[in-house]
Formats: sequence, C-alpha cells, structure tokens
Amino acid sequence: QSVLTQPPSVSGAPGQRVTISCTGSSSHIGAGYDVHWYQLLPGTAPKLLIFGSTNRPSGVPDRFSASKSGTSASLAITGLQAEDEGDYYCQSYDSSLNVWVFGGGTKLTVL
Amino acid sequence: QVQLQESGPGLVKPSQTLSLTCSVSGVSISSGDYYWSWIRQPPGKGLEWIGYMYYRGNTYYNPSLKSRVTISVDTSKNQLSLKLSSVTAADTAVYYCARVQYYGSGTYYNDYWGQGTLVTVSS
Repeated sequence: QSVLTQPPSVSGAPGQRVTISCTGSSSHIGAGYDVHWYQLLPGTAPKLLIFGSTNRPSGVPDRFSASKSGTSASLAITGLQAEDEGDYYCQSYDSSLNVWVFGGGTKLTVL
Repeated sequence: QVQLQESGPGLVKPSQTLSLTCSVSGVSISSGDYYWSWIRQPPGKGLEWIGYMYYRGNTYYNPSLKSRVTISVDTSKNQLSLKLSSVTAADTAVYYCARVQYYGSGTYYNDYWGQGTLVTVSS
C-alpha cells in the first residue's frame, strides 16, 4: 500500500478535462513538502510532468497543470489526447520515514 | 541531450546479488550539479524509491532496503551502479536510474530517467 493515495484509474474522451488526486498526510504533503508528477507511457522512459507542486519543465504542454493544498495535490489534464494514455504518479518526501514516497499510480484511459 | 541507459542481467537467482549499471550521456556525473538515483517498479505495482547519491560518495537509501543496497558511481566511465544483495522474488521489478534535481527545503525530483530494465529473480 502506497503512502500517497491516488485513484487507480480515470478516463475521459478526447478533448475533455480530467484530474488526478494525490492524497497524503501531515508527514509529507501536509508538512509542506512539494509534490512532483511523472508520466509513464508503455515502452518509454518515465517523464517529469510537474516539479515543485505547480511548475512545468520546458517542453511539457500547458495542457498539464497541478496544484497543492493542505495534505493533497492534484494534476489536471485538459484537451485530452490519445497520446496521454498511460500511468501517472505523484511523489513527495516523508519526513517521519525519511524517504521519498510515491503514489500508487493512476491509469489514464482516453476513451 | 541527457540520456540514461540501464543494463545488467535480466535474471538473478534467489539469494544472489543483483548488479545493474546506468550509463549516463549528455552530462557529467562529476559536474556536481545533480544527484543520481535508482527507483524500481514491481510488476503490477507502483514506484518505489531505492536510493540516491552524490558523486562525492554521499549516499541516501530507503530504510526498508538499506541493509542490502549499495549505490556507487564510476566518474571515469560516467556510470552509476546498483547492487542489491540477498534477493528474493519480491525484488523482481523494472529498475530505473534517474538524474535528481534538488528543489530546496528537502525536496528532490527526478528530471531525466532511463527506460528501465526488467530484472526477474527466479531459480
């Protein structure tokens, strides 16, 4: 069981907007540690989508955005495209365990 | 263009030591600007942080694996390595190496990853 909780799956039609939540506790997200988001597509290297809770690396489309509040964070994808289909993971730091922690991952299906 | 590529045996016997290498190109490990990490993903499960290090030798390991893990770098070859001893079937996973950026306030993130390599532990 992962320290950060994500929904196992989300889906949406092309062009729609979906959100993926990442719920933690006062040991990590709630303690003020930033959240980072990664995209894992089959057969490719994982890709950094968001760092520092809200920042997009250069080259990541502005269709991807994220926010953080309290003990939770959220990734939003607008204008869904077939190429977005894959797995998405959040990551933070747990100060009580002294480890990087990941969410269990969310499988995005583009209908 | 920063690239990372994992390599090593795809099959390891139980109780033996898993050894992987990550070849880095496009950036020097000894530049001192980054840390370097290993992360794994068991089949059908989520990501698990193994550990990371700085080229000067400072290492940081997941407490759950610390007694069995060694991460090191060979700056002459620009390579990162992972050794995991006394493996069991639970260590079967895709192993990734990644470059680590320090964001501040104790926060680190992985900005470049290798494609990963599947290691199966089986007799």
